[in-house]
Amino acid sequence: DAGVTQSPTHLIKTRGQHVTLRCSPISGHKSVSWYQQVLGQGPQFIFQYYEKEERGRGNFPDRFSARQFPNYSSELNVNALLLGDSALYLCASSVRDRGDGYTFGSGTRLTVV
Amino acid sequence: DQQVKQNSPSLSVQEGRISILNCDYTNSMFDYFLWYKKYPAEGPTFLISISSIKDKNEDGRFTVFLNKSAKHLSLHIVPSQPGDSAVYFCAASEDYGGSQGNLIFGKGTKLSVK
Repeated sequence: DAGVTQSPTHLIKTRGQHVTLRCSPISGHKSVSWYQQVLGQGPQFIFQYYEKEERGRGNFPDRFSARQFPNYSSELNVNALLLGDSALYLCASSVRDRGDGYTFGSGTRLTVV
Repeated sequence: DQQVKQNSPSLSVQEGRISILNCDYTNSMFDYFLWYKKYPAEGPTFLISISSIKDKNEDGRFTVFLNKSAKHLSLHIVPSQPGDSAVYFCAASEDYGGSQGNLIFGKGTKLSVK
């Protein structure tokens, strides 16, 4: 079985640009969550979607947005990129909306220059 | 303001001995706690969890202890193996039965087993 798939694995963007990160959950998983992990820190919650509805939002500016599609895949969008947005972005999926069932992808490493 | 604290950035243990990783939290509303393991270039992997109604949960070589009065939990790995070398994250949630699934992570402890 395929795990949680994230694309791209790495990318470099310039300040002010927009970026879209993609996540395909494990088949049958209806919940997708997004986390940001800055170097030296633990993952920080950005969004959770369950059955295509936003269930939770972390303390991130409105430049961050996300959506979940009918096939349960998800996109994370970040507008007007700042240097501080450089981080590893992790997607996690689960059957339900609880952390013990989360399976994380390997992440997308975003570098903003 | 860190709600989940892992005060030891690193820990080195000899193979076969016990590894004890510690975690403190400040939010008394947390009702569910989890440990994740992370290897380089991989996402975190769920290890073990504990509900606030319990004080111990065991799964093979891994045991998590919860002391609610001290707002402290620990992960014991016995015996430690070289493959256990990784970064370990403590995480907490205040909506175990709720809808948000928002996990609050600590900064992690890098375990080296030699």
